Amino acid sequence: EAGVVQSPRYKIIEKKQPVAFWCNPISGHNTLYWYRQNLGQGPELLIRYENEEAVDDSQLPKDRFSAERLKGVDSTLKIQPAELGDSAVYLCASSLVGRQGGEQYFGPGTRLTVT
Amino acid sequence: GENVEQHPSTLSVQEGDSAVIKCTYSDSASNYFPWYKQELGKRPQLIIDIRSNVGEKKDQRIAVTLNKTAKHFSLHITETQPEDSAVYFCRINKFYFGSGTKLNVKP
Repeated sequence: EAGVVQSPRYKIIEKKQPVAFWCNPISGHNTLYWYRQNLGQGPELLIRYENEEAVDDSQLPKDRFSAERLKGVDSTLKIQPAELGDSAVYLCASSLVGRQGGEQYFGPGTRLTVT
Repeated sequence: GENVEQHPSTLSVQEGDSAVIKCTYSDSASNYFPWYKQELGKRPQLIIDIRSNVGEKKDQRIAVTLNKTAKHFSLHITETQPEDSAVYFCRINKFYFGSGTKLNVKP
């Protein structure tokens, strides 16, 4: 079984430029998470989807971040315009259920550097 | 809020010794408590989890204990090996992670 796939793995952009990340969850997983992980810290949730519906997005900076999960499978996370403080690893995870008991499987992450 | 505090932030042990990492949480409704291991430059991976209906779970050299009354749970690693060196995170509820513990096992 393929794991969570993310692309690109690395991205370097100048500030004020747009950037997009893509995630393909494990087949059959209805819940998808986007996390941001700063160096030396734990993952912080940006947005969580149950199927196509965004159910937890209070941590998403909506003035510059957007996300979508069309057809309840793949998802994209976009930043426009990027700021220096957005440099981080962006992790996608998926699980079978969105309740507390869901074991989450992580993708390899996208390391974003904003210069 | 649904806070989780993790201690210590760094832990250095000699190979063969034991290591214990503790997480304290505030939401009494929490009922699932996983631990993740993240090696440098890699993704977090689940290593053990426990549900609120049990107090302890073991898997070879690792174990997790839960005290629901005191609202804390701990990761125990016995007979540590250099390959245990990594950052360990606890998680509560759907998506609240601890701040991480960097474990260094000295050969």
